[in-house]
Amino acid sequence: KQEVTQIPAALSVPEGENLVLNCSFTDSAIYNLQWFRQDPGKGLTSLLLIQSSQREQTSGRLNASLDKSSGRSTLYIAASQPGDSATYLCAVPPANQAGTALIFGKGTTLSVSS
Amino acid sequence: DGGITQSPKYLFRKEGQNVTLSCEQNLNHDAMYWYRQDPGQGLRLIYYSQIVNDFQKGDIAEGYSVSREKKESFPLTVTSAQKNPTAFYLCASSLTDRGLSYEQYFGPGTRLTVT
Repeated sequence: KQEVTQIPAALSVPEGENLVLNCSFTDSAIYNLQWFRQDPGKGLTSLLLIQSSQREQTSGRLNASLDKSSGRSTLYIAASQPGDSATYLCAVPPANQAGTALIFGKGTTLSVSS
Repeated sequence: DGGITQSPKYLFRKEGQNVTLSCEQNLNHDAMYWYRQDPGQGLRLIYYSQIVNDFQKGDIAEGYSVSREKKESFPLTVTSAQKNPTAFYLCASSLTDRGLSYEQYFGPGTRLTVT
């Protein structure tokens, strides 16, 4: 059964630092991987969706990479800002399944201090 | 504006009462999902529906029920059989097509407290 792990569980950095969040999954037969942001008490906001045929996706200061063979994805945040403070979640569909519900990691809670 | 709405934002109920959480979307998405989030845990799937009048159980469906009578709406009922109903409930939707996988979009959530 597909499992998703995110390390570290929490991360604190000073403003301006570049940082990397990690996500690993146990079964590499995925159709895509999605990164989300969640602010306290709020719903999830989709940040990036990487299809299985892609190696990376970029949106502004965010860059997500996908290495299916090793079962890993990273979310790179450049020049971090206090407004980036939130919990970041990665999620994948079950192995060999498309268009279905996602399996989530427990998230990395990021705190950026000014 | 297109999006997903969930109501109410906060819900308080006494133990033993059934309660229904609303989820509506105007994104013209075929698929809709209900997840539950507990502190320190990832999101867990309760039910999902890929087409009107059809739905499938997720990992933690016991004590919950759903209906999908309209494409836009996917209400979740938390029954008295659910042993630990206090949680944050999130509804999501996406396009769906055989062999393809699309981005999921989430609503703002409903926080249910049962005492």
